[in-house]
Amino acid sequence: TQLLEQSPQFLSIQEGENLTVYCNSSSVFSSLQWYRQEPGEGPVLLVTVVTGGEVKKLKRLTFQFGDARKDSSLHITAAQTGDTGLYLCAGSPYGQNFVFGPGTRLSVLP
Amino acid sequence: KAGVTQTPRYLIKTRGQQVTLSCSPISGHRSVSWYQQTPGQGLQFLFEYFSETQRNKGNFPGRFSGRQFSNSRSEMNVSTLELGDSALYLCASSLFSGAEGEQYFGPGTRLTVT
Repeated sequence: TQLLEQSPQFLSIQEGENLTVYCNSSSVFSSLQWYRQEPGEGPVLLVTVVTGGEVKKLKRLTFQFGDARKDSSLHITAAQTGDTGLYLCAGSPYGQNFVFGPGTRLSVLP
Repeated sequence: KAGVTQTPRYLIKTRGQQVTLSCSPISGHRSVSWYQQTPGQGLQFLFEYFSETQRNKGNFPGRFSGRQFSNSRSEMNVSTLELGDSALYLCASSLFSGAEGEQYFGPGTRLTVT
């Protein structure tokens, strides 16, 4: 069983549409990180959320950390083809090793 | 500032052989973590080194080992290769150990075992 679950697993949308992907766990995390990975490359860190209830905005991307520090969401406004990639959430439950979710594979079509 | 570099980028080995992968972290970063990424299992944590000491270890067999040098460069070794070891091996560097530091990944080494 995965410590971090992500949904949806796959998402295909048209350019200009909005979308939200989710990262959930039954464990409490001190912080959660979001990464985007493109084929043949390593994941690139997008953001770290630390405080329960925190909302961070990076241009068209909005990240939220749940009040209970067990879940997070990533919302993309007006998706562009350059947003295509594998979106991964990751974190370290208190006292445990760093873990990654299975990812959401996003495809933005022109 | 140069990013994380990994060598080689691609590697083909046969079953039973051993392999050594190298990772040079971002200058000033003292933590290096290694991950295995496969389509079926996703990204799985192998181990973390900080200041030449292994700090954490994932659930992998003893065939997987690593070390870190005084300049923070790290190597990962896999002995007696199996077909299931075919994967993208990623290293990540961080200023701090564990969950305290944000991780910056290298491009990975694609290992194929035949």
